[in-house]
Amino acid sequence: SYELTQPLSVSVALGQTARITCGENNIGSKNVHWYQQKPGQAPVLVLYRDTNRPSGIPERFSGSNSGNTATLTISRVQAGDEADYYCQVWDSTTVIFGGGTKLTVL
Amino acid sequence: QVQLQESGPGLVKPSETLSLTCSVSGGSISSHYWSWIRQSPGKGLEWIGYMYYRGITNYSPSLKSRVTISVDTSKNQFSLKLTSVTAADTAVYYCARDKSGSGIDAFDIWGQGTMVTVSS
Repeated sequence: SYELTQPLSVSVALGQTARITCGENNIGSKNVHWYQQKPGQAPVLVLYRDTNRPSGIPERFSGSNSGNTATLTISRVQAGDEADYYCQVWDSTTVIFGGGTKLTVL
Repeated sequence: QVQLQESGPGLVKPSETLSLTCSVSGGSISSHYWSWIRQSPGKGLEWIGYMYYRGITNYSPSLKSRVTISVDTSKNQFSLKLTSVTAADTAVYYCARDKSGSGIDAFDIWGQGTMVTVSS
């Protein structure tokens, strides 16, 4: 079965760049979407179809997807970026979410 | 803009049926696909299934035998029924919309979520 592998946690210093990966065999052939979830809140879409930002999402959020790894990159990290991040794909007719990555801002 | 609001009992007894409704405001339910997604306490996201107003449904293989998602276009609502619940079904349940209306896109609008506890 298709499974998306994310690191459990990523730590980054304030103002630096965070990279969160999402891995699976040949994920580059799929559209990957990314969500940010803060405690007690619903997830928010931050990137769709690998690289596209919804309205209202800062340009600091960017993405790439190639081969076996998709990556969410957050530049100039702010304290408010601290959250859980989930990747998501469609595998045939089923939604697959990654296990989530906790981003800690130091 | 489109907003989603989940509603339903917060407590369900084991072996009974969990029933939730998602009300869609600011837009028509007769476009896009509409999903249910849940999150067990401290865990990740799990997709339950989706529906399209024309009666098209698609469910997660792991839940398919217990799930029904239906629509009431007159009320601009869609509903989730999950039968034979156990403690493992305790979760926050979200309804969500697919972005493009293709049925295989990102989820761009989410409800705030509703916590359902399965306990006697």
